[in-house]
Amino acid sequence: QQPVQSPQAVILREGEDAVINCSSSKALYSVHWYRQKHGEAPVFLMILLKGGEQKGHEKISASFNEKKQQSSLYLTASQLSYSGTYFCGTASPYSGGGADGLTFGKGTHLIIQP
Amino acid sequence: DGGITQSPKYLFRKEGQNVTLSCEQNLNHDAMYWYRQDPGQGLRLIYYSQIVNDFQKGDIAEGYSVSREKKESFPLTVTSAQKNPTAFYLCASRTRGANTEAFFGQGTRLTVV
Repeated sequence: QQPVQSPQAVILREGEDAVINCSSSKALYSVHWYRQKHGEAPVFLMILLKGGEQKGHEKISASFNEKKQQSSLYLTASQLSYSGTYFCGTASPYSGGGADGLTFGKGTHLIIQP
Repeated sequence: DGGITQSPKYLFRKEGQNVTLSCEQNLNHDAMYWYRQDPGQGLRLIYYSQIVNDFQKGDIAEGYSVSREKKESFPLTVTSAQKNPTAFYLCASRTRGANTEAFFGQGTRLTVV
């Protein structure tokens, strides 16, 4: 079953912050975040492995609450280059850490306006 | 440069025909994957392979077939049994083992005419 992402879409002005949520009905072992520009390949952002873990990548960070089976992606002081569709991919404890393939959400469309 | 290459970028097929999508990687990755992407649906797993000469069905394998005769190559055949083949197809690879990042190809857009 696909994880649920929210919101489905968000429009921001450059410099504003955004939060994208990913929620699963199944136990999670890890959460992977990707960004995809239209017609291009998804690009890896980060993997979160432990409950409560937070990771950062420039002005993009994420958290993972294993107990709640949720992850959130935080984009601060957004830039025009952040526009695209963000996907979370989840791995269950029984999937070899995602070796059997990730289960992706439907994506969140992020539009950054100047 | 290391990477993963899909070809062709655009493909048109007549109903009732089989068609094969190419995926080649020179990253020395053991695991390879095929995903299908439809508007508003995210990425759904078709097939995956963790080692040469072995592959497993994903969530939506019906109407598709694969082979893994070489480590570098993982072609996907869309058969005439696939009821709705028009979609964007993405191939990915990663090192074997848990929790490693996946590298995606640029995708093939298949249209049935």
